[in-house]
Amino acid sequence: RKEVEQDPGPFNVPEGATVAFNCTYSNSASQSFFWYRQDCRKEPKLLMSVYSSGNEDGRFTAQLNRASQYISLLIRDSKLSDSATYLCVVSPQGSWGKLQFGAGTQVVVTP
Amino acid sequence: NAGVTQTPKFQVLKTGQSMTLQCAQDMNHNSMYWYRQDPGMGLRLIYYSASEGTTDKGEVPNGYNVSRLNKREFSLRLESAAPSQTSVYFCASSERGTGANIQYFGAGTRLSVL
Repeated sequence: RKEVEQDPGPFNVPEGATVAFNCTYSNSASQSFFWYRQDCRKEPKLLMSVYSSGNEDGRFTAQLNRASQYISLLIRDSKLSDSATYLCVVSPQGSWGKLQFGAGTQVVVTP
Repeated sequence: NAGVTQTPKFQVLKTGQSMTLQCAQDMNHNSMYWYRQDPGMGLRLIYYSASEGTTDKGEVPNGYNVSRLNKREFSLRLESAAPSQTSVYFCASSERGTGANIQYFGAGTRLSVL
């Protein structure tokens, strides 16, 4: 079983619509959680950290559910520029340097 | 605003050849990392260097060696390339501290081994 699992998609989303997807992680002692964005053939870039209370950054909302061991990302009012692969990233307890990456969820926003 | 710089961007090798991937960061970060990314898989850690003078194995170290040359530079060497090492390689850096380990990535090296 992969330590971080994501639905690969693609999620095809009309421009202006809302899309949401989850990521599950296996290590219950994981401490830090992130969403990274990766454009085609580019490097991953931090989109946002995920806090226990949930957090929002503009049109993006991230939630953490420790009991069920998943994090979610919701994108409101989708833009064409939101088309990318979103990587779920988890930092296990006691392994500060060793982030665990999901394989990514592809989002395609269509006009 | 260079951030993390990787060279080369593309490379084609024949089986058995050797090469070194270079990585440099200008953010004064203590920690540096090498990952590989294959289709359908998440980034996998090859080696990392928590601070200058230290290196540790990650998830997939076999067939690779690393050198932390100084605080800025962290190189990855393939001594005898194999087709299974065809991949996209990313270098990353982060500031070691008590906070979250936010990593910043270079643009990647696309390596094909024939």
